[in-house]
Amino acid sequence: DTAVSQTPKYLVTQMGNDKSIKCEQNLGHDTMYWYKQDSKKFLKIMFSYNNKELIINETVPNRFSPKSPDKAHLNLHINSLELGDSAVYFCASSQDNRALETQYFGPGTRLLVL
Amino acid sequence: AQSVTQPDIHITVSEGASLELRCNYSYGATPYLFWYVQSPGQGLQLLLKYFSGDTLVQGIKGFEAEFKRSQSSFNLRKPSVHWSDAAEYFCAVNSGGYQKVTFGTGTKLQVIP
Repeated sequence: DTAVSQTPKYLVTQMGNDKSIKCEQNLGHDTMYWYKQDSKKFLKIMFSYNNKELIINETVPNRFSPKSPDKAHLNLHINSLELGDSAVYFCASSQDNRALETQYFGPGTRLLVL
Repeated sequence: AQSVTQPDIHITVSEGASLELRCNYSYGATPYLFWYVQSPGQGLQLLLKYFSGDTLVQGIKGFEAEFKRSQSSFNLRKPSVHWSDAAEYFCAVNSGGYQKVTFGTGTKLQVIP
């Protein structure tokens, strides 16, 4: 009964390819997020959705496109992958969009671009 | 803009010793403050959070943190460290009315026998 799950756990691909990462939460939360953690463990928010509506869109290349088909899912599609995209991508969710809410993280997707 | 600093990149403590991890934030008003832990190969898990009231906050796994407005600090403490506490610890701040958390760069805790 994993709360926030991501697939795949590992993703190795060539430069220029297009790939997707999927995220699902079974907590009944309204808000979901994508974070990127680089090799130095720095964690930076990329996107957040509240009730399927995009509310945070940080300075992320247009090659990254999130999609939320419903409140329980937030997928991340990456076009034309580059070496610098190699990182761990975390999905998270929270009950709602209020600042005091706890975020629950998935186990991460380790992306390696060759 | 909100920011958070964790001055210690790496800390090593002996099992059974006490622990204090430092966190300083930058924001004019009272922010929401969090400590998360990341075990190797895992996602982040909330240890504790502060948003109002008592400045000493108790969390899971025997951790506590104290909010000190005068020092803009939110240091994490544990009186006796266990080997299973070895992990990366992230302090985070959220100053707005909505969710936009800024994470610190993390402190890696190593526990030696």
